[in-house]
Amino acid sequence: RKEVEQDPGPFNVPEGATVAFNCTYSNSASQSFFWYRQDCRKEPKLLMSVYSSGNEDGRFTAQLNRASQYISLLIRDSKLSDSATYLCVVNIQGAQKLVFGQGTRLTINP
Amino acid sequence: DVKVTQSSRYLVKRTGEKVFLECVQDMDHENMFWYRQDPGLGLRLIYFSYDVKMKEKGDIPEGYSVSREKKERFSLILESASTNQTSMYLCATAGTYTDTQYFGPGTRLTVL
Repeated sequence: RKEVEQDPGPFNVPEGATVAFNCTYSNSASQSFFWYRQDCRKEPKLLMSVYSSGNEDGRFTAQLNRASQYISLLIRDSKLSDSATYLCVVNIQGAQKLVFGQGTRLTINP
Repeated sequence: DVKVTQSSRYLVKRTGEKVFLECVQDMDHENMFWYRQDPGLGLRLIYFSYDVKMKEKGDIPEGYSVSREKKERFSLILESASTNQTSMYLCATAGTYTDTQYFGPGTRLTVL
C-alpha cells in the first residue's frame, strides 16, 4: 500500500463548478499535511498547509480527518487558472522528509 | 522570496556517461533534497542533506550519489547514466524549523 494515495483523475469540470479531492495516508504518525500545486512542466509549489481544525484560503478549503486518515481539498467557483495537478503531501513525525502522493490532475473547461 | 536554481532545464546524455546536476539556493536553508518525478509514480526522494558534508539516503538512492561542500549548493551525481534514469529531477530546499519545501524548476534528463 502506498503511503499517500490519491485518485490520479483526470477531473474535467466546467468553470464555476465546485470540485473536491481526497487523499488518504497510511502512517498514523503523520504530523504535517500539505497540498502542493504543480502546473504542466513546472515545479511543485505550496498551495496550503492543512490543519486539524480545517483551514480556508479564498476559494480553497482544506480539511484533515485524523481518525480516517484522509485529507481533502475543496475548490469553489473554479477558474480556468486552477487547471493543474494537485499533490497531497504528508510529513511523518520524526522524519524530516515529505511523502508525496502521485497527484490529481484537474482541468477546468470554459 | 526563496530562489532555487538548477544548472540545466534540459539535458541529454549517453548511457555510461557521468552526469552532474547542480542545485543552488539563496535562502541559507539547512535542508536540501533531490527527487525524481515519473508519470504514475509521483515524486520519489533520492537523497537529502541536513548540513554541509552531510547526506542521507532517500527511498531510491541506487545509482546516484550526492555532494554538499557548501551550504547553498547540493549536487546530484549519476556515476554511470542508464536509460532508466531518464526522468525529471527536482531539487528542493527547506529551513530547519519548517516542513515547507521550495522547489527548483527541474532538469529533464534524457539518457540515450
